[in-house]
Amino acid sequence: EAGVAQSPRYKIIEKRQSVAFWCNPISGHATLYWYQQILGQGPKLLIQFQNNGVVDDSQLPKDRFSAERLKGVDSTLKIQPAKLEDSAVYLCASSLWDALEYEQYFGPGTRLTVT
Amino acid sequence: LAKTTQPISMDSYEGQEVNITCSHNNIATNDYITWYQQFPSQGPRFIIQGYKTKVTNEVASLFIPADRKSSTLSLPRVSLSDTAVYYCLVSGPGANNLFFGTGTRLTVIP
Repeated sequence: EAGVAQSPRYKIIEKRQSVAFWCNPISGHATLYWYQQILGQGPKLLIQFQNNGVVDDSQLPKDRFSAERLKGVDSTLKIQPAKLEDSAVYLCASSLWDALEYEQYFGPGTRLTVT
Repeated sequence: LAKTTQPISMDSYEGQEVNITCSHNNIATNDYITWYQQFPSQGPRFIIQGYKTKVTNEVASLFIPADRKSSTLSLPRVSLSDTAVYYCLVSGPGANNLFFGTGTRLTVIP
């Protein structure tokens, strides 16, 4: 089966610019996650969707980050305006249902560099 | 929120068994324990998941004591391709329940 797709793979922007990342989860997976992984650290959950509803966005910096999952399938994560500390890899993952008992499948990530 | 603690790094020779222990003292009744492997420039990949006692699959075993405050990932006869970062994840139902620690960087030496 096809894996989780993400684009772009790399992005370089200047601070205060905006950027958007796209994720296409595995077909049939109800739950979609966006993680931020700073170099040398483990992934940090930003937002979790179940179908097109938000389950958890407690760690999403809502003043600058936004995410949506239209029709319960693809998702976009946006940063506006970007800060230097947003430089990280943004990982998208999906699972059949919630992560309690179902493994998450991760995409390759988007490496964002903010200069 | 059940946070986890793992050794930062471990070294092992090829062919040896490697055991990586994760501490999760605040694990809740409904939490599961999952281990992921991550290679550079890739997303994490699922290895194994368990709730209690022992779970074994084709690549690893997971040992969970009765109090569930820790878990041990066992990799039999590691090879150079097992060099990666290994994350222990404790997850439960509801919101604010997914937390990856800093992981354990395993280096397999020829």
